[in-house]
Amino acid sequence: GESVGLHLPTLSVQEGDNSIINCAYSNSASDYFIWYKQESGKGPQFIIDIRSNMDKRQGQRVTVLLNKTVKHLSLQIAATQPGDSAVYFCAENAVNTGNQFYFGTGTSLTVIP
Amino acid sequence: GAVVSQHPSRVICKSGTSVKIECRSLDFQATTMFWYRQFPKQSLMLMATSNEGSKATYEQGVEKDKFLINHASLTLSTLTVTSAHPEDSSFYICSARSTGAETQYFGPGTRLLVL
Repeated sequence: GESVGLHLPTLSVQEGDNSIINCAYSNSASDYFIWYKQESGKGPQFIIDIRSNMDKRQGQRVTVLLNKTVKHLSLQIAATQPGDSAVYFCAENAVNTGNQFYFGTGTSLTVIP
Repeated sequence: GAVVSQHPSRVICKSGTSVKIECRSLDFQATTMFWYRQFPKQSLMLMATSNEGSKATYEQGVEKDKFLINHASLTLSTLTVTSAHPEDSSFYICSARSTGAETQYFGPGTRLLVL
């Protein structure tokens, strides 16, 4: 499989600041990406998605940026709140992998009140 | 909408027993369901892809006789961990995708502890 099990990098931000979480993906044929949020002991929760024909997509307080040239994805969270503390994963999807999603390493975000 | 449930949420069993975990899509029909395994502070590892009415497709390194998957209906897939051992202790998460859709929705996970 393409998913990688590594220990999570961490990011700490002050409440009210903006957060940027990065993800590098491996499959140049990936054409659909999702950011998930996972709180401790729970399943992943959909945040925002983006297709490869776009380079930016905005949601409520979140923005996803896609750079296909360097196979990089980022999630920006505006005015970070304590409730945003969680682990964030990017997931990539491609036809040449059977339309399955493979998850990145994940980043643990801690918001300091 | 797009709610996926898992049962049980937590299970403790003795080594050598088998454990069945259910994954249900509550408000949509899931032609495809996925089973993941997650160790503490690690990412989700795809174990297998389950299509309704056909055999599951297992990822490399996942023993199909150890992790039996049955996707008997459009709303239910089960994962049975056979002859469980302590190293099978993990957080098992399913996800479901409806026909023609790309987005997967995840269940809340099942924490398995094998003593």
